Amino acid sequence: LAKTTQPISMDSYEGQEVNITCSHNNIATNDYITWYQQFPSQGPRFIIQGYKTKVTNEVASLFIPADRKSSTLSLPRVSLSDTAVYYCLVGDGRGSTLGRLYFGRGTQLTVWP
Amino acid sequence: DAGVTQSPTHLIKTRGQQVTLRCSPISGHKSVSWYQQVLGQGPQFIFQYYEKEERGRGNFPDRFSARQFPNYSSELNVNALLLGDSALYLCASRSGQGAYEQYFGPGTRLTVT
Repeated sequence: LAKTTQPISMDSYEGQEVNITCSHNNIATNDYITWYQQFPSQGPRFIIQGYKTKVTNEVASLFIPADRKSSTLSLPRVSLSDTAVYYCLVGDGRGSTLGRLYFGRGTQLTVWP
Repeated sequence: DAGVTQSPTHLIKTRGQQVTLRCSPISGHKSVSWYQQVLGQGPQFIFQYYEKEERGRGNFPDRFSARQFPNYSSELNVNALLLGDSALYLCASRSGQGAYEQYFGPGTRLTVT
């Protein structure tokens, strides 16, 4: 499985756009990129998944360059409630192996008033 | 619809004891996975069950075992507890082998003294 590297922590202020970049140099052809969000003492929550280019949903956008060796999660106009740990995962998005997600240490995002 | 539920919420055990954790997946979901999350780390994959069969196992000792019942609920058992087993135990479900989004429960906080 491709190893991912992301910043340990980030700080932002309310109303700003936050971009969290994840490196995955050894991503395989069949791998998808998935982001999860986790609040303290709660289970992770799926945010977004993509394979290439750009994916957008009601919560975030995911930008993936052509070489797919990195990806950027973009959170528009963050609020205090976006303070959480964000995990970048790389793996087979639709196969049986998805039952085993591999989490790194994630990025602790802190949003200040 | 109810999300993934887990019981108990918190548990305190002493070294050497045995513990059983329970998980009920989202209605209609046939796949259940278990994760262990030590404080400050990302969740680590323990087991995956699909249609009552074990489909994957992480790097955990044989003290850890699990099973899935005909109603797709699941139990995780840990024998001969060690202090290092203290963690948040998370259960996640998804609708099938091809589904890419996992839904996590709130977890069971296990403390071993």
